Amino acid sequence: DGGITQSPKYLFRKEGQNVTLSCEQNLNHDAMYWYRQDPGQGLRLIYYSQIVNDFQKGDIAEGYSVSREKKESFPLTVTSAQKNPTAFYLCASTPSGLAGPHRMGEQFFGPGTRLTVL
Amino acid sequence: AQSVAQPEDQVNVAEGNPLTVKCTYSVSGNPYLFWYVQYPNRGLQFLLKYITGDNLVKGSYGFEAEFNKSQTSFHLKKPSALVSDSALYFCAVRDMGRGSTLGRLYFGRGTQLTVWP
Repeated sequence: DGGITQSPKYLFRKEGQNVTLSCEQNLNHDAMYWYRQDPGQGLRLIYYSQIVNDFQKGDIAEGYSVSREKKESFPLTVTSAQKNPTAFYLCASTPSGLAGPHRMGEQFFGPGTRLTVL
Repeated sequence: AQSVAQPEDQVNVAEGNPLTVKCTYSVSGNPYLFWYVQYPNRGLQFLLKYITGDNLVKGSYGFEAEFNKSQTSFHLKKPSALVSDSALYFCAVRDMGRGSTLGRLYFGRGTQLTVWP
């Protein structure tokens, strides 16, 4: 899982509560990503950030929020507006999302957080 | 728009037999293609990538993939399967277009590979 950590590994939430998932990387990567994984649906992009203090909505951003105040951190908040938040959440990073020799590089993934709404 | 299709939800093979996991893609420019593997309750692990050059790409754990431009395919292969290869495999294509989507990956739905002893 490289130099990306996600915490907690398992998270339980009551309906109506906001929760924040942590993602930290020590790889000095510029770009970071949040994916949601549901059985049989592959990975769907929630949000991504290519540089500090900037982020973009992915394909399923509704009910989620992010911040990118530091290069190494990209926390994801699952809000009460997310109708079906139970899923496996994966964070990833790449050396550079914009330019340079690493723009062809692969993404490195964290170990994931499994969120269950009770 | 970029997209990836993995036509098989499941692939079953006997240990020692060759395996193929299929992937086709659609991109607007040159394709940058990737294969990842995922074990239960774990993150994705990078296996191999095609950027340019030789159509046969070799990767981790004895896996290789063949890029075929005319068929827009990037199938994952291994000459002799192991029980430990059983996992979920994802094909992905990278967006190399201009603007803010540069660098994001588009994933297929995944193929569950089961290798029987």
